[in-house]
Amino acid sequence: GQSLEQPSEVTAVEGAIVQINCTYQTSGFYGLSWYQQHDGGAPTFLSYNALDGLEETGRFSSFLSRSDSYGYLLLQELQMKDSASYFCAVRDNPTTSGTYKYIFGTGTRLKVLA
Amino acid sequence: EAEVAQSPRYKITEKSQAVAFWCDPISGHATLYWYRQILGQGPELLVQFQDESVVDDSQLPKDRFSAERLKGVDSTLKIQPAELGDSAMYLCASSPNVDSYEQYFGPGTRLTVT
Repeated sequence: GQSLEQPSEVTAVEGAIVQINCTYQTSGFYGLSWYQQHDGGAPTFLSYNALDGLEETGRFSSFLSRSDSYGYLLLQELQMKDSASYFCAVRDNPTTSGTYKYIFGTGTRLKVLA
Repeated sequence: EAEVAQSPRYKITEKSQAVAFWCDPISGHATLYWYRQILGQGPELLVQFQDESVVDDSQLPKDRFSAERLKGVDSTLKIQPAELGDSAMYLCASSPNVDSYEQYFGPGTRLTVT
């Protein structure tokens, strides 16, 4: 079967650094995305890794190791507004039309404490 | 900034009734996705369109769910008859083209089946 594993919950204090891990087991792999979702809100795109290594976007960075089927999202200088759920998503095999299917993880709920 | 529109935002229906959700993707976006998100879980793909064609509906319970995107623009997802287990958030997302890895999500429709 296909699965993406994430910790269910992470807690950190304002100003700290937190890492959210994602391990995946899927039939295909073309990239790993990260999304943020506040309670009651829609998921919003944060980052995407197609190749091994670190991608940095402001306070957020994302890492991928394809040989380990593993990635993580790193959040620096945590702020209260970062309290949300974070989902990794694997870009799976393309369909016959060339579009890609995405499989989402179970999500990690991040709580930032003052 | 262009956004994905969905309606209604909230829907309460009795089991065995029919219910429909509407999605208008960002103008020009060829790929459209319908996801179901159960509280505390990640989005699960139900159906994916490329223009007006269904390219993946392997996870769509076809005995009760149907989806269409007749002119390749807006889309409707229907459930008939609704069951208690259908209570969830139904999210619509769109992407510009087959090579895009970023999905833009709408605000979702919260369905409660009583």
